Amino acid sequence: DGGITQSPKYLFRKEGQNVTLSCEQNLNHDAMYWYRQDPGQGLRLIYYSQIVNDFQKGDIAEGYSVSREKKESFPLTVTSAQKNPTAFYLCASSNGAGTTYEQYFGPGTRLTVT
Amino acid sequence: AQSVAQPEDQVNVAEGNPLTVKCTYSVSGNPYLFWYVQYPNRGLQFLLKYITGDNLVKGSYGFEAEFNKSQTSFHLKKPSALVSDSALYFCAVRGRGNTPLVFGKGTRLSVIA
Repeated sequence: DGGITQSPKYLFRKEGQNVTLSCEQNLNHDAMYWYRQDPGQGLRLIYYSQIVNDFQKGDIAEGYSVSREKKESFPLTVTSAQKNPTAFYLCASSNGAGTTYEQYFGPGTRLTVT
Repeated sequence: AQSVAQPEDQVNVAEGNPLTVKCTYSVSGNPYLFWYVQYPNRGLQFLLKYITGDNLVKGSYGFEAEFNKSQTSFHLKKPSALVSDSALYFCAVRGRGNTPLVFGKGTRLSVIA
């Protein structure tokens, strides 16, 4: 988990509210990623960014938004349009998005929406 | 499109016995393969990767993985399991181009004392 921080660790929200999850890295990595983890479904890609001020949708981007204004920060907003927002959210980064680079993960944020 | 399959949801093994966690992949071109481990309520930790070269890759905590191109597999192995190895294991693949890793659904390993 070293080098990537996610806050808070646990987050509770009421249905209909937008919520922003923080992800910061001090590894000087170019690329950053957001995944969602649900039991039995593995990790699914929400958004990723290969460079500042640019990002691409992943497999399940609907109901989510991101920004990449700084190299070290990649916040994720879970909007009220996301039908099933309760999940474990993982942020990752890699040294460029090249084929040989592994991704390093943060400790995750568990979001519960009631 | 690239994909990864982990055919076993759960693997049980006795402490001291060898363990294998299976992974098969589908990708266009040369595959770049990775294994990660996740402990409860934590992020994923990188174990090892195959890029090119020797088909047997050694990684952290005594784990190794064998790349088999003809069977499109990349099974994770350890000669002697420890109770502390009990965790969720993910296989991942990246194919051609600068794309994010694609992960399997994970295999839960339980090592019994």
